Amino acid sequence: ELKVEQNPLFLSMQEGKNYTIYCNYSTTSDRLYWYRQDPGKSLESLFVLLSNGAVKQEGRLMASLDTKARLSTLHITAAVHDLSATYFCAVDKRETSGSRLTFGEGTQLTVNP
Amino acid sequence: NAGVTQTPKFQVLKTGQSMTLQCAQDMNHEYMSWYRQDPGMGLRLIHYSVGAGITDQGEVPNGYNVSRSTTEDFPLRLLSAAPSQTSVYFCASSPSATNEKLFFGSGTQLSVL
Repeated sequence: ELKVEQNPLFLSMQEGKNYTIYCNYSTTSDRLYWYRQDPGKSLESLFVLLSNGAVKQEGRLMASLDTKARLSTLHITAAVHDLSATYFCAVDKRETSGSRLTFGEGTQLTVNP
Repeated sequence: NAGVTQTPKFQVLKTGQSMTLQCAQDMNHEYMSWYRQDPGMGLRLIHYSVGAGITDQGEVPNGYNVSRSTTEDFPLRLLSAAPSQTSVYFCASSPSATNEKLFFGSGTQLSVL
């Protein structure tokens, strides 16, 4: 059974600071996704990481994937209040009948002035 | 372009009642899926479909039925609602069965009393 663990689950940080969210998973996969969810809203795709060593950046967020370590990171640079949200990683377990995503519990990020 | 449309947005049921959550997408996506989101548990896959006429079970399928008679629609049926099915339900789609990034609907908040 594929397990996906994120840490930390709760993160409170000051504007301007840097921090990293970690996503560990238990079985082999070469596809990992990061999503953002604002309170009471739906999920929005941030990054799709498709191979070992993949790195994607968008604004103050950068995601990377190490398939050998079964680890993905989401790095936040110089945080701003608008980044406050819950961030989910999801790992793709490919079945013969199609893909199945397993999500982590989510990291609730609060950026304080 | 409406994307993924879910109805209703809110629903209250009594134990034992049945209902159908509707999901429609207008992007001609092959892959559609249903997730439930519970506090502290991330999203869990209920059922998914890789094309019209093809469905498969996800992680938590018990108590739910699906069908995929058209590419556009993927309804989720609760045959006999239970309080344990109180949750927020998200429908999601992606262009292909190899599961590129998911496009999520706005969610249905369901309460079973």
